[in-house]
Amino acid sequence: AQKVTQAQTEISVVEKEDVTLDCVYETRDTTYYLFWYKQPPSGELVFLIRRNSFDEQNEISGRYSWNFQKSTSSFNFTITASQVVDSAVYFCALISSGSARQLTFGSGTQLTVLP
Amino acid sequence: DTGVSQNPRHKITKRGQNVTFRCDPISEHNRLYWYRQTLGQGPEFLTYFQNEAQLEKSRLLSDRFSAERPKGSFSTLEIQRTEQGDSAMYLCASSPDRGNYGYTFGSGTRLTVV
Repeated sequence: AQKVTQAQTEISVVEKEDVTLDCVYETRDTTYYLFWYKQPPSGELVFLIRRNSFDEQNEISGRYSWNFQKSTSSFNFTITASQVVDSAVYFCALISSGSARQLTFGSGTQLTVLP
Repeated sequence: DTGVSQNPRHKITKRGQNVTFRCDPISEHNRLYWYRQTLGQGPEFLTYFQNEAQLEKSRLLSDRFSAERPKGSFSTLEIQRTEQGDSAMYLCASSPDRGNYGYTFGSGTRLTVV
């Protein structure tokens, strides 16, 4: 069985603040992929990043960065200098080699960036 | 190709009625998935197709639910005798047959059963 936990239900920050969204995962498989998706009010899930279990290098893409730590089963997402347009629900998700391509999602974190 | 398309965007139906949703995947994607998302939760897997073959179904997919993908192109998800608990967002996604799990999601169909 696999599980993704996003303990932060809602986060509110003021524009230009940095914010970190936490994600903890569980899987018995050694091969797996982790994802982050953004869901704006329109409802579409927007892909942000995919990371495989063998690549623990952190990644930075513009204002976004991801910290993958297998030792703590965490895959945290940081937005630097947040903007109002970053307001959305963010989901962490997992596919493992034994899951037949089923994405398991966390319950999401609602991020609100105030002007 | 503009991505994964889902129709309708919204559907309101009376309890007991049947509803059908349509998903048009990215044309070169062989795999198609259906997920359901209730308020305040992450999407949950329902079923997936490789071409026209339905390869896996979640136990969430009760007997009242049926999905098809004739000719391996678009897919339909039908819910018979709808119940209020069926109210949710139904998301479709597609991905290539090979590669590193590059899912593309549609905007979803929001179902409200009254």
